[in-house]
Amino acid sequence: DGGITQSPKYLFRKEGQNVTLSCEQNLNHDAMYWYRQDPGQGLRLIYYSQIVNDFQKGDIAEGYSVSREKKESFPLTVTSAQKNPTAFYLCASTLSGGARTDTQYFGPGTRLTVL
Amino acid sequence: GQQVMQIPQYQHVQEGEDFTTYCNSSTTLSNIQWYKQRPGGHPVFLIQLVKSGEVKKQKRLTFQFGEAKKNSSLHITATQTTDVGTYFCAGSSGTYKYIFGTGTRLKVLA
Repeated sequence: DGGITQSPKYLFRKEGQNVTLSCEQNLNHDAMYWYRQDPGQGLRLIYYSQIVNDFQKGDIAEGYSVSREKKESFPLTVTSAQKNPTAFYLCASTLSGGARTDTQYFGPGTRLTVL
Repeated sequence: GQQVMQIPQYQHVQEGEDFTTYCNSSTTLSNIQWYKQRPGGHPVFLIQLVKSGEVKKQKRLTFQFGEAKKNSSLHITATQTTDVGTYFCAGSSGTYKYIFGTGTRLKVLA
């Protein structure tokens, strides 16, 4: 089956700890995205990557970091500098990084709770 | 910066009633996409509109893109319990970056 996987589904961390969220896709998509969703709100873009070894900050990148060493993988690290990290994190991908009409395919999400 | 607002934020309807959500952008869009997110799930693509004044239908769902390409709407005829979820619009100003609307949460009462 082709798709996007995110792990873990639920994640708990203590304040002051960094944590890395996994996102893997086997769709052979060039572009990948990380969004954050807070209860009752829309999706806000954290980081995106159009091609391997390249990524750009989105609207709320502070306190987050990413890497794109492989086409199929785009892990997100939530650092201790992120002041309010409890949220639902969604990874998405599109076929191309340059086509504005591409459909975004979303993973199942990771729900992060900071204790 | 660009903003995309949706109204209403919440809508409760009786099964069989119609439902409409509206999406308004602060800037002109090159295209707009609509997604549905079921409770506890992730957004799933519904449709994309590109042309000014475009209207597309999917069974009971009708999507419109405004003439000025700054607003869009989703209308569901005769809602069913399977329509429950949050509907998001996502607009692009010509780049690969989309701005998501705030979403409209639909509840359908049987």
